[in-house]
Amino acid sequence: LAKTTQPISMDSYEGQEVNITCSHNNIATNDYITWYQQFPSQGPRFIIQGYKTKVTNEVASLFIPADRKSSTLSLPRVSLSDTAVYYCLVTPGNTGKLIFGQGTTLQVKP
Amino acid sequence: DAGVIQSPRHEVTEMGQEVTLRCKPISGHDYLFWYRQTMMRGLELLIYFNNNVPIDDSGMPEDRFSAKMPNASFSTLKIQPSEPRDSAVYFCASSSSLGNEKLFFGSGTQLSVL
Repeated sequence: LAKTTQPISMDSYEGQEVNITCSHNNIATNDYITWYQQFPSQGPRFIIQGYKTKVTNEVASLFIPADRKSSTLSLPRVSLSDTAVYYCLVTPGNTGKLIFGQGTTLQVKP
Repeated sequence: DAGVIQSPRHEVTEMGQEVTLRCKPISGHDYLFWYRQTMMRGLELLIYFNNNVPIDDSGMPEDRFSAKMPNASFSTLKIQPSEPRDSAVYFCASSSSLGNEKLFFGSGTQLSVL
């Protein structure tokens, strides 16, 4: 199972773009990259998922280089409500052993 | 769909008592997961089921923990006897597939063992 590494914490200000990078050096061919967001007292919530190149939805963008050994979650123009913990997961297609790392605690300041 | 439903929302019990946590997955989801979250250890996968069958329970901390899924719409996680170190938030999640699946989490059960 591919291990992920991401920064423990990040600070930002309202209106800025935030980029959180996750490394997953031993990602396998069939693995996807999935990001979740967790607010206090709530369960994690799916944000975005990708396999390669770029994926964009109404919440975020996900950039994955050709070698897939890392990925970057991009949050455009963050607000105070984006303060949360963000988890990067490598999701294999052959097992449900989905491991959450420590995540990145994003603090958005006014 | 109402999403993944967990009960109770909060549970306070005394050491040695039996605790049962309940989960109703999203209808049509074939996979069900139990996670535990603490400040020290983060989110830990305890066990997951596929079509009501336990597939991997290697994360279950010890024999005091047991999980069942008697049908596609209900699962329980039982701790007997409970200990103070079991205090944590327990999440249930479900998904429709593996790989490119999305996990849908419940609101969790905050367990306090005194």
